[in-house]
Amino acid sequence: GDSVTQMEGPVTLSEEAFLTINCTYTATGYPSLFWYVQYPGEGLQLLLKATKADDKGSNKGFEATYRKETTSFHLEKGSVQVSDSAVYFCALKKGNTPLVFGKGTRLSVIA
Amino acid sequence: DSGVTQTPKHLITATGQRVTLRCSPRSGDLSVYWYQQSLDQGLQFLIQYYNGEERAKGNILERFSAQQFPDLHSELNLSSLELGDSALYFCASSARVGTDTQYFGPGTRLTVL
Repeated sequence: GDSVTQMEGPVTLSEEAFLTINCTYTATGYPSLFWYVQYPGEGLQLLLKATKADDKGSNKGFEATYRKETTSFHLEKGSVQVSDSAVYFCALKKGNTPLVFGKGTRLSVIA
Repeated sequence: DSGVTQTPKHLITATGQRVTLRCSPRSGDLSVYWYQQSLDQGLQFLIQYYNGEERAKGNILERFSAQQFPDLHSELNLSSLELGDSALYFCASSARVGTDTQYFGPGTRLTVL
């Protein structure tokens, strides 16, 4: 079946460092890809999405590009802040099927 | 604020008991999804409803059931609770089946003692 693999965490960075969280997927067809973020004690929030190959999703300084050739959707941010500390989930969805999530990557940013 | 509401926020109960979790989707959304988040299993899809009808089932135990009412709110019923059912339960909604974006509620944290 379809699946999503994320890099294991936790990831600890200093403020203003560059962030990359790797995400690869296995799916037949052409899924839509998502990054969700979960701040401490809260629910999941949609961070960005891409619906077709070579699309770039972006929001709040975060970016991810849908790469069909490498089946990847890596999340990047040029300069992280303490407020970015959260758990990040990569997910895919095809048509009417539910979201399939990766296991999540915990990011801690220290001042 | 996603517009999806869930009650209660926290629930503490004992093994063998039954609980009901409630979800109200965003205004106008017809589709409701339930997910379970636990430390060992991650985020797992349980069940989906669309306009009152069950649409898809995931890893939902037979002890669990759900329904969506005419006003589109949904309830997840968990019975014969076990320690391993302790988890965060999220509801999400989307405008219609096949719509990509799901909006999540804040979750209900269930603790079974």
